[in-house]
Amino acid sequence: GAGVSQSPRYKVAKRGQDVALRCDPISGHVSLFWYQQALGQGPEFLTYFQNEAQLDKSGLPSDRFFAERPEGSVSTLKIQRTQQEDSAVYLCASSSREMTVFPATNEKLFFGSGTQLSVL
Amino acid sequence: AQSVTQLGSHVSVSEGALVLLRCNYSSSVPPYLFWYVQYPNQGLQLLLKYTSAATLVKGINGFEAEFKKSETSFHLTKPSAHMSDAAEYFCAVSDWYGNEKLTFGTGTRLTIIP
Repeated sequence: GAGVSQSPRYKVAKRGQDVALRCDPISGHVSLFWYQQALGQGPEFLTYFQNEAQLDKSGLPSDRFFAERPEGSVSTLKIQRTQQEDSAVYLCASSSREMTVFPATNEKLFFGSGTQLSVL
Repeated sequence: AQSVTQLGSHVSVSEGALVLLRCNYSSSVPPYLFWYVQYPNQGLQLLLKYTSAATLVKGINGFEAEFKKSETSFHLTKPSAHMSDAAEYFCAVSDWYGNEKLTFGTGTRLTIIP
């Protein structure tokens, strides 16, 4: 597609519910990132995929957070038993560059518009 | 660990005036530094990035930033502000050698006064 697409745009969940957030990266992009942006803060890294492999999940805040990218394209971020502190905008980004390739080249990271999650 | 600090959560400038958004970094390795802009209800867009090739980096929309190692700074400037520059600006540093695992600052909201 023309850009990174995320759905839904807004999600309201009751505390304790499970949610699934979808990311459609730019076609052909091998790298996919998830970031969490709390209100008034900068984005924080959650996890990284290179194709279907999840190479880095060091930013996932708890074992309630789970991400997958089974076919190396679409990715889903799942949050189980949502808590109020999970309320944030979840950003997906993709790049044509493999993160493990040195040196860095001029490929850009393209961000989606995000999913705003509100947990009541 | 890498980190960035953005001084001033809100900056207001008059249309046509100089824009200066401040960013200081801390990095244990030679840093790759970035400035992103976020318009309301839109994704983050890369303005420019420093990759050690040149200390003065020119980006899109007339923005530029200068890397100053002695001051550990990477401030963003634009000579003449335009109404369309009103947005949130984020400074970021990469984890290592240019990868996209970024650590962002808390952002600076730029308001343009007509």
